Amino acid sequence: AQKITQTQPGMFVQEKEAVTLDCTYDTSDQSYGLFWYKQPSSGEMIFLIYQGSYDEQNATEGRYSLNFQKARKSANLVISASQLGDSAMYFCAMREAYGQNFVFGPGTRLSVLP
Amino acid sequence: EPEVTQTPSHQVTQMGQEVILRCVPISNHLYFYWYRQILGQKVEFLVSFYNNEISEKSEIFDDQFSVERPDGSNFTLKIRSTKLEDSAMYFCASQGRGRIQETQYFGPGTRLLVL
Repeated sequence: AQKITQTQPGMFVQEKEAVTLDCTYDTSDQSYGLFWYKQPSSGEMIFLIYQGSYDEQNATEGRYSLNFQKARKSANLVISASQLGDSAMYFCAMREAYGQNFVFGPGTRLSVLP
Repeated sequence: EPEVTQTPSHQVTQMGQEVILRCVPISNHLYFYWYRQILGQKVEFLVSFYNNEISEKSEIFDDQFSVERPDGSNFTLKIRSTKLEDSAMYFCASQGRGRIQETQYFGPGTRLLVL
């Protein structure tokens, strides 16, 4: 079974508008971490934002925020005021235990239109 | 700002040849990982390394693969006899203490092409 699901293979957004990228996850652990990474066309993986399962507030980092709904097991990334440089693949990832590897979702390709 | 480095950035090899992909993790990190990404697909975990030994490995990491940290700074992934399906981007990542909330810092990747 897929542990991380990203149902939007591709998304388009107009420059300066906000966009939400969906991520749902599956775990029976109570303690886990959720991460979002950006992968531009150059290929590197850039860390964006983290949400812990016990965090009571949604994480925010500049223009990035995470809409965390624990009961629904969703951790959607919200990018406000999109910029052309935001065009990239976006991956949601989860870690379930200390020291353990990440499990990645299939990614969403975001295209920002001028 | 410290970063993970990887060499080479690109490698082309013939099927059946051995390749060694090199990584220099962030210096005070303790946990090291290799992932791969076949073109257009998701990032897949290969192996994790802690305290000079493999802590976890995936089904992909079969006997053709090996890792080592030969000198306390480099972290290498060796593929003994490459197959066409090994063509992928290989990412090294490192992490400080292994806590759930800690992120992993990825290197820029090595793009491997097996002909």
